[in-house]
Amino acid sequence: NAGVTQTPKFQVLKTGQSMTLQCAQDMNHNSMYWYRQDPGMGLRLIYYSASEGTTDKGEVPNGYNVSRLNKREFSLRLESAAPSQTSVYFCASSGYRGGDSPLHFGNGTRLTVT
Amino acid sequence: GENVEQHPSTLSVQEGDSAVIKCTYSDSASNYFPWYKQELGKRPQLIIDIRSNVGEKKDQRIAVTLNKTAKHFSLHITETQPEDSAVYFCAASQSGGGADGLTFGKGTHLIIQP
Repeated sequence: NAGVTQTPKFQVLKTGQSMTLQCAQDMNHNSMYWYRQDPGMGLRLIYYSASEGTTDKGEVPNGYNVSRLNKREFSLRLESAAPSQTSVYFCASSGYRGGDSPLHFGNGTRLTVT
Repeated sequence: GENVEQHPSTLSVQEGDSAVIKCTYSDSASNYFPWYKQELGKRPQLIIDIRSNVGEKKDQRIAVTLNKTAKHFSLHITETQPEDSAVYFCAASQSGGGADGLTFGKGTHLIIQP
């Protein structure tokens, strides 16, 4: 039982390059999330998907797009990377749509944009 | 929207002493308050949570207290051990809210001195 799996673990991009962060969960969870974590800023929500077929913007969506490919997979795309997007990205899932549903996080992707 | 303030940003205590981390929230409709622990280089993991119908909850050496009137809640760790060294995040949400409900504090870096 892997839980939430993210790939890649590390990535270095040049400004303007694009890439997709992959996330998959095997817990049959309905809701999935993408957060970014920056020093002193906590965890900020980029996008979320309450259920298969829906996606919504979170607190910091600019410069990102997402795709809920199916119930298991939720990808995050950077179309034109900028140095401000250097961060650690966490995917998470929760069992049901609701503010009190515990989040299960992946191990993170450390992204550096030069 | 909800705003969660967390203090202190860094806390250093001697091994065996107690540690207290405090959070305040702004939205009186919030009724679910989880705490996540993130060890260095690892993913955040839920360690304890409390709902607004109780004032205190304990789990071995950790406890969380909630003061709804003052809109603040705290994490208490007793008899601290080296493995307690980590970053701790508080969060707040409404249990009946949407999937984007969790608002995180900016984190407290707890350092256990030997």
